[in-house]
Amino acid sequence: GEDVEQSLFLSVREGDSSVINCTYTDSSSTYLYWYKQEPGAGLQLLTYIFSNMDMKQDQRLTVLLNKKDKHLSLRIADTQTGDSAIYFCAERRSGQNFVFGPGTRLSVLP
Amino acid sequence: GAVVSQHPSRVICKSGTSVKIECRSLDFQATTMFWYRQFPKQSLMLMATSNEGSKATYEQGVEKDKFLINHASLTLSTLTVTSAHPEDSSFYICSARKAGERNEQFFGPGTRLTVL
Repeated sequence: GEDVEQSLFLSVREGDSSVINCTYTDSSSTYLYWYKQEPGAGLQLLTYIFSNMDMKQDQRLTVLLNKKDKHLSLRIADTQTGDSAIYFCAERRSGQNFVFGPGTRLSVLP
Repeated sequence: GAVVSQHPSRVICKSGTSVKIECRSLDFQATTMFWYRQFPKQSLMLMATSNEGSKATYEQGVEKDKFLINHASLTLSTLTVTSAHPEDSSFYICSARKAGERNEQFFGPGTRLTVL
């Protein structure tokens, strides 16, 4: 299909790792992104990965890309209550437009 | 940094009136700005792309005459919702792309429009 897909909800306990998954559709997408949206706010870029990379790590965040399966994941280590938010993956398609997934609502339980 | 602001952050208006939302890039020049609409608990839907000094490119299904976009300078784009109706109530988010950089968009904080 045409859509970027994500699971809608994820709950984890504080201190555990969170893994948010995404599948995208356009094999020619050059960049893939993870954004965070807190309630009532705009989107904050967390990280992005170039399509010729398999992995990118930035402090507590690890992005894994399986280009063959068009699968992207975001791992948040030592998840904190401040990480509770909606996480969007997005692909930049060949026409330069960004296409966003539906967002995964991460709830961090104490 | 790369800061994008939107004004107002919230607006409530009566049905039939027009509302203007501003999107500004505060510390960089934005050759391209994007306008998105986000329904509750849903993703962002691209409405239009605007390039400074030229007409906006609208996505399929978005009414040009209803959602007027002006990108008059390298730091300001405006979205005017004309003759607003309750179904136009939504969260409108703009983003801006720096001149010469295609890989990143910087998002504004959003504007929540409620049409009574």
